[in-house]
Amino acid sequence: AQSVTQLDSQVPVFEEAPVELRCNYSSSVSVYLFWYVQYPNQGLQLLLKYLSGSTLVKGINGFEAEFNKSQTSFHLRKPSVHISDTAEYFCAVTPRAGNKLTFGGGTRVLVKP
Amino acid sequence: DTAVSQTPKYLVTQMGNDKSIKCEQNLGHDTMYWYKQDSKKFLKIMFSYNNKELIINETVPNRFSPKSPDKAHLNLHINSLELGDSAVYFCASSQVGLMGGGGNIQYFGAGTRLSVL
Repeated sequence: AQSVTQLDSQVPVFEEAPVELRCNYSSSVSVYLFWYVQYPNQGLQLLLKYLSGSTLVKGINGFEAEFNKSQTSFHLRKPSVHISDTAEYFCAVTPRAGNKLTFGGGTRVLVKP
Repeated sequence: DTAVSQTPKYLVTQMGNDKSIKCEQNLGHDTMYWYKQDSKKFLKIMFSYNNKELIINETVPNRFSPKSPDKAHLNLHINSLELGDSAVYFCASSQVGLMGGGGNIQYFGAGTRLSVL
């Protein structure tokens, strides 16, 4: 079984400031990792994913995440946020041999002008 | 053209009623899912179908019954609705293929907000 912990439920940040959203996971098997974004009243959209290879992955909208196997973390970063980045962000994992996504509790990012 | 579409977008109903939510995907994917998002935004998988066959069936009351008439559709029927069923229900799809790999992206619909009064 897998579990995902997003350490911050809410992150307020000023426009043009950097932001980091923390994600730790636990699994007895190898996993793939994902970050999804949910804008208000919308479905989830994939930001980026880590399958293998370079541990630094780049996604859409200027986001990137770094996979750290020893710390079982997959933190998401953006160097400069915009008002439009206000949304809920979800970290998720799925076992490599399966397709069942397990989500973290979400982190709400509120970008202030 | 919306890739994964759900209807209705909003559903308000009384306790005890039976309701259905429909989902269709036009991506040609072989696997579809239902997720429930509660009031605290926590997302949890309920069911998954691969080529019309049920492959994931989480601990969900048997009042919830998924039905997949073909691999492009996965509907969710809920009997005897309860207050605790109020949530946003998301449909998703992905292409899993013969290898059953987990690295395939799941594409989500916009959700159905169910309110049980």
